[in-house]
Amino acid sequence: DAEITQSPRHKITETGRQVTLACHQTWNHNNMFWYRQDLGHGLRLIHYSYGVQDTNKGEVSDGYSVSRSNTEDLPLTLESAASSQTSVYFCASSENPQWGYTFGSGTRLTVV
Amino acid sequence: EDQVTQSPEALRLQEGESSSLNCSYTVSGLRGLFWYRQDPGKGPEFLFTLYSAGEEKEKERLKATLTKKESFLHITAPKPEDSATYLCAVQAGAGNQFYFGTGTSLTVIP
Repeated sequence: DAEITQSPRHKITETGRQVTLACHQTWNHNNMFWYRQDLGHGLRLIHYSYGVQDTNKGEVSDGYSVSRSNTEDLPLTLESAASSQTSVYFCASSENPQWGYTFGSGTRLTVV
Repeated sequence: EDQVTQSPEALRLQEGESSSLNCSYTVSGLRGLFWYRQDPGKGPEFLFTLYSAGEEKEKERLKATLTKKESFLHITAPKPEDSATYLCAVQAGAGNQFYFGTGTSLTVIP
């Protein structure tokens, strides 16, 4: 069965370190998205991609970067982790965003 | 500023006690309103898309409706397994941006 997987599920890192969160989907969807979820803020869009070599900034992109070298993967990199980036991160994919997203199970990141 | 507001923040129901969750929005050029269900420790799961005022969608005990300013998620005779957080999102404007509300946490007591 097709799926979207995120790794790791949990990560603790130190302030200032570079961290990469993985997202892999086997749906063959062109559209992929990264969100963060925080209490009181709901899901906020970090970056998104509509296809290979395409990346776009979302609402809260400062301090994050993505690259899309194939259809299946959209890794999210925190260049220099900050405590404000402690959050739960969700990756999502979609054939057509108006048909709804398929979300991964999330990565809980703690920056100490 | 585009905004999505969900109410109530939390709702406790007895099993079988029907109720409604609200999602109000202030966006320009609504292209779609989406409902998701999220269980603890999991990603949101897509439920419905509504495109225009007056539209309704149903799935088991859930029915979503849409007006020009808000959407309702009606839960009829809920069961404990309906306990989850229900998220509303809107797609608006020229881009493909989605704006999510903060959710309603529903607990159904047996």
